[in-house]
Amino acid sequence: AQSVTQPDIHITVSEGASLELRCNYSYGATPYLFWYVQSPGQGLQLLLKYFSGDTLVQGIKGFEAEFKRSQSSFNLRKPSVHWSDAAEYFCAKRNFNKFYFGSGTKLNVKP
Amino acid sequence: EAGVAQSPRYKIIEKRQSVAFWCNPISGHATLYWYQQILGQGPKLLIQFQNNGVVDDSQLPKDRFSAERLKGVDSTLKIQPAKLEDSAVYLCASSPRTGRKAGELFFGEGSRLTVL
Repeated sequence: AQSVTQPDIHITVSEGASLELRCNYSYGATPYLFWYVQSPGQGLQLLLKYFSGDTLVQGIKGFEAEFKRSQSSFNLRKPSVHWSDAAEYFCAKRNFNKFYFGSGTKLNVKP
Repeated sequence: EAGVAQSPRYKIIEKRQSVAFWCNPISGHATLYWYQQILGQGPKLLIQFQNNGVVDDSQLPKDRFSAERLKGVDSTLKIQPAKLEDSAVYLCASSPRTGRKAGELFFGEGSRLTVL
């Protein structure tokens, strides 16, 4: 069955520190992968996507993600976290126009 | 470009009452999705429309949930009668089939339902 796993439920980092959020997916020779961010009381906003080509993709707000086929992973990174990055982050995979979401990682940012 | 519009943003009802949520997708987006997001979880697909036809409603509890997308534009999701476990945020999303943004999901702000 199609699945997306985000092993970290909560992560706390200090402002200015680097961040990596983990995402693993199942199945799919050429997966279509996404990272979304959700601020409290808001819908989900697309940060970045991977369809093909360069395995390191750049997104909005200084985020990037690296697709690693050998590890079935699509981890999200940011070199220096800002307090405004505190939110919940969802990894998702698309398969034949259906989207499968991970359970999310809630990011807290310490001043 | 206007985003996905949803209403109401918040609704509180008692169990066994009914509720309806409305969604207007981004103009020209052929695919419309309704997701249920329970607190602490990722979105779970309830129903997917392609224009005004249902593509997937396998996760929709059809004994109490119904949805329609008349004329292939806006959509309504109804719950009747509501149960306590229906308390969640109901997210509408749309996706274009062609163009630079093909295959991306665009979400509305959601409708938060509390069932007492």
